[in-house]
Amino acid sequence: EAGVTQFPSHSVIEKGQTVTLRCDPISGHDNLYWYRRVMGKEIKFLLHFVKESKQDESGMPNNRFLAERTGGTYSTLKVQPAELEDSGVYFCASSRTRTGELFFGEGSRLTVL
Amino acid sequence: KQEVTQIPAALSVPEGENLVLNCSFTDSAIYNLQWFRQDPGKGLTSLLLIQSSQREQTSGRLNASLDKSSGRSTLYIAASQPGDSATYLCAVKPDYKLSFGAGTTVTVRA
Repeated sequence: EAGVTQFPSHSVIEKGQTVTLRCDPISGHDNLYWYRRVMGKEIKFLLHFVKESKQDESGMPNNRFLAERTGGTYSTLKVQPAELEDSGVYFCASSRTRTGELFFGEGSRLTVL
Repeated sequence: KQEVTQIPAALSVPEGENLVLNCSFTDSAIYNLQWFRQDPGKGLTSLLLIQSSQREQTSGRLNASLDKSSGRSTLYIAASQPGDSATYLCAVKPDYKLSFGAGTTVTVRA
């Protein structure tokens, strides 16, 4: 069974540009989560999808961040326009149930110059 | 607001010694607690999941205990090996999202 896959693994962009991160969850996992770790801080929750519906986006920093999950399969996280403080590692995770075990991807490292 | 603390922040032991990693959390109303391992530049690998109704879980050389009433979990790694060197993260699930600790970075010296 394939794990959670994320693309790209690393992205370097200039301040003001746009970046789109993609996550493919484990097949059959309705729950998909985005988390982020910025330098020196703990991993923090961004948002949670159940199928294609956003259940909780309380962790999204501001309206420069837009997450979608079309058809309840893969998800994208777009940052537009990117700022320096957006640099960090963005993790995607999925689980079969809301209270079940989470499986994480390798992360997408974003560097904003 | 759930706060998760991991002590110590870093640990260095000789090969063969048992490892004890501590995790404490402020709100005992949790669905479960999960321990992860992270290697440098890599993602998080799930090690053990303890449901709120359980007291411990075991997998090979790993054993994790959970005391919800006191807000504590301990991860034991028996007979440590250099390959156990990594950062270990504790995360609790008070609702549908995980709250993470900062992690304990372990170095096992050959």
